Amino acid sequence: SLVLTQPPSVSVAPGETATITCATNNIGGKSVHWYQQRPGQAPVVVMYYSRDRPSGIPERFSGSNSGNTATLTISSVEAGDEADYYCLVWESDTDNYVFGTGTKVTV
Amino acid sequence: EVQLLESGGGLVQSGGSVRLSCAASGFIFSHYAMSWVRQAPGKGLEWVSGISSSGGTTYYVDSLKGRFTVSRDNAKNTLYLQMHSLRVEDTAVYYCAKDLSNSAPLWYMDVWGKGTTVIVSS
Repeated sequence: SLVLTQPPSVSVAPGETATITCATNNIGGKSVHWYQQRPGQAPVVVMYYSRDRPSGIPERFSGSNSGNTATLTISSVEAGDEADYYCLVWESDTDNYVFGTGTKVTV
Repeated sequence: EVQLLESGGGLVQSGGSVRLSCAASGFIFSHYAMSWVRQAPGKGLEWVSGISSSGGTTYYVDSLKGRFTVSRDNAKNTLYLQMHSLRVEDTAVYYCAKDLSNSAPLWYMDVWGKGTTVIVSS
């Protein structure tokens, strides 16, 4: 079954750029969505269809998807961005959602 | 305001059963597919099950087929997850989530509840 691999952790200084990847074979052919989960809270979507930001999500968040890797980029990182981030894909072969393994961003 | 409120969690013995509910408000419930997602303590998110807007089609992760059953009552704006033969490893926070689509292929989950905790003791 589909496995979406993310780096377990990313550490970034305030004001720098955090890059979170989500990898699987030909992910560029799929729609990828990204969720932010702060400790003790429910996940919140921060990027949908690879590169679209929901209203209320800062422009500092951007996304891309090509080849075997989808990427969520957070520029000018702030302390409030510290959270776990998950990618999500709908796998049509099995009619299942699949989450990535998750990345803890530490600021 | 769109809201999802889960209930029904608690402490249950291994081998037991529990039914979770998710009360929806602030949107036309019958227009959207819904999902259950769980998160074991200290672990990542795991999609468990989904159901089409009409309730006519259900989707499950393979590892849980046969033990979990998803259903909905559109007249009551409520989503359910019936869980049987519970195991210690089913201990988790269970979230319900609204989808943007009405049936497969599902699009993405845009609204989540705060979750309800199920603890399975041995």
